[in-house]
Amino acid sequence: KQEVTQIPAALSVPEGENLVLNCSFTDSAIYNLQWFRQDPGKGLTSLLLIQSSQREQTSGRLNASLDKSSGRSTLYIAASQPGDSATYLCAVRGFNDYKLSFGAGTTVTVRA
Amino acid sequence: DTGVSQDPRHKITKRGQNVTFRCDPISEHNRLYWYRQTLGQGPEFLTYFQNEAQLEKSRLLSDRFSAERPKGSFSTLEIQRTEQGDSAMYLCASSPTGAAGNTIYFGEGSWLTVV
Repeated sequence: KQEVTQIPAALSVPEGENLVLNCSFTDSAIYNLQWFRQDPGKGLTSLLLIQSSQREQTSGRLNASLDKSSGRSTLYIAASQPGDSATYLCAVRGFNDYKLSFGAGTTVTVRA
Repeated sequence: DTGVSQDPRHKITKRGQNVTFRCDPISEHNRLYWYRQTLGQGPEFLTYFQNEAQLEKSRLLSDRFSAERPKGSFSTLEIQRTEQGDSAMYLCASSPTGAAGNTIYFGEGSWLTVV
């Protein structure tokens, strides 16, 4: 059974600092990995998707890397803003499998 | 299209009552998923449909839970004889098939509180 862990559980930084969020998974036989953002009481918004054959994906200030062999992914958010305050979740999908296995998330607070 | 729609957004019910949630996926998305999320945790997979066929069910989906997707369009999730442990947010998601199906789109969720 795939286990996904996110460290730290919570993070508070001043505005402008770069954010580094970590995700690890136990089974390296993944099809893809996705990072999601969740605002309080809301659904999930997909941020970045990395296929198992890729090493990283970038979108604006966001960059996600994937090291499948070591079972790790990192989400970098450059020059954080108060609007980046949210919970960030990573999820992995296995081969021949349509369900996602989620971590518990990292709750980020960016102080103005 | 405005995305995945879920109804109701909030439901408070007494223990032992039945509740039903509805999900309208994005048009032409033939894959539909239900997840459950409790406070401080990530979503947990419940079940998955491709068109009208329910292809996978989690062990979390006890006999009191049933999901349907008639005609491969909207889906319903019914919980019978609710228990306090059923209190959670129920998330619906959809995706198309093919390479575009790698990204799945979540609704805003339906909050259930069992008192």
